[in-house]
Amino acid sequence: KAGVTQTPRYLIKTRGQQVTLSCSPISGHRSVSWYQQTPGQGLQFLFEYFSETQRNKGNFPGRFSGRQFSNSRSEMNVSTLELGDSALYLCASSLSGSSGTEAFFGQGTRLTVV
Amino acid sequence: QQQVKQSPQSLIVQKGGISIINCAYENTAFDYFPWYQQFPGKGPALLIAIRPDVSEKKEGRFTISFNKSAKQFSLHIMDSQPGDSATYFCAASEWYSSASKIIFGSGTRLSIRP
Repeated sequence: KAGVTQTPRYLIKTRGQQVTLSCSPISGHRSVSWYQQTPGQGLQFLFEYFSETQRNKGNFPGRFSGRQFSNSRSEMNVSTLELGDSALYLCASSLSGSSGTEAFFGQGTRLTVV
Repeated sequence: QQQVKQSPQSLIVQKGGISIINCAYENTAFDYFPWYQQFPGKGPALLIAIRPDVSEKKEGRFTISFNKSAKQFSLHIMDSQPGDSATYFCAASEWYSSASKIIFGSGTRLSIRP
């Protein structure tokens, strides 16, 4: 059974650009969550999608957005990139997203903004 | 607002010793407390989890102790091995409005000395 796949693994962008990250969840999983991991702030919740609908959102500016497709694959977009957006972006999938349901993480996309 | 506080930030333990990581939470609505293990270049992976109606859960060398009244929980790794060297995150989540998100602690970098 394939795990959570995130692409690309590494990305270098310039300030002001926008970026799109992709996440393919485990087959059958309908919930996809995104997290930002930085040395200073740790792991922070960005948002969660379930059946193509955003169910929950963390405390990030509107430059961070996402969507989920009918096959549960998800994309995350960051517009007008800032240096502080440099981070490891992690995607997690679970069957339902309910508390107590195991969340499986991908290896992440390492974004560097220069 | 840091809802899950984790300590210590780093920990060095001799092979065969006991590794202990502590966490405290504030939100009494949390109903699921997982621990994640993360190796460099990988996403976090679920290690063991507990619900607040249980005071202890053991899986192999890993044990969670949970004190609901004190709002504290801890991870004990018995007979620690070099392969246990990783970063450990405690976490908490709650189910509300048909959605959930995982709140992570700041992480503990564990090194097991041979």
